[in-house]
Amino acid sequence: GENVEQHPSTLSVQEGDSAVIKCTYSDSASNYFPWYKQELGKGPQLIIDIRSNVGEKKDQRIAVTLNKTAKHFSLHITETQPEDSAVYFCAASWGTGTASKLTFGTGTRLQVTL
Amino acid sequence: DGGITQSPKYLFRKEGQNVTLSCEQNLNHDAMYWYRQDPGQGLRLIYYSQIVNDFQKGDIAEGYSVSREKKESFPLTVTSAQKNPTAFYLCASKPDRGRRESPGELFFGEGSRLTVL
Repeated sequence: GENVEQHPSTLSVQEGDSAVIKCTYSDSASNYFPWYKQELGKGPQLIIDIRSNVGEKKDQRIAVTLNKTAKHFSLHITETQPEDSAVYFCAASWGTGTASKLTFGTGTRLQVTL
Repeated sequence: DGGITQSPKYLFRKEGQNVTLSCEQNLNHDAMYWYRQDPGQGLRLIYYSQIVNDFQKGDIAEGYSVSREKKESFPLTVTSAQKNPTAFYLCASKPDRGRRESPGELFFGEGSRLTVL
């Protein structure tokens, strides 16, 4: 089955700096890579996703890059703000239908300090 | 508002007792999922259901059971056979292809925290 590794497990940055979280996956058939943000005491929420036919996707301060050859993908957050503090999870799956299953990374706790 | 409702938010259980966690969605999604979250281990899939009256085991199904009698509901029972049940449990649903939402997106509830005393 799929195995997703995520690094670092904790990340502390100063407000305004950039943050980068990296994930690797094992199954070359995986073609869908979402990122979720989980605030304290709540369920995760999708913040951005990318499919394997795209190398990069950007949404305001958030961007995701994908390297299919190396089987790794990364989340980039620019101009970080205190409200970006949360736990971030990467995930991978083959397909997006109801039969597909997401495999999650172990999470990165991001702390944005003033 | 459409969404996923999990209850109870906090639950305490004595060893040897079965408990059932509720998950209800009014998003009209066909697929529903149960995940377990432990510190440092991310989210692990317990069970999932693609349609009513059908469900499949995930990666850590032992000691758990589910039912899917209605599209809106996917309750999870944590049985006494689950050796380490203390955890945060998350229910999620996914839309079918062709819907407006991102087709791969999971919509999560706010979770239920189970503590075994």
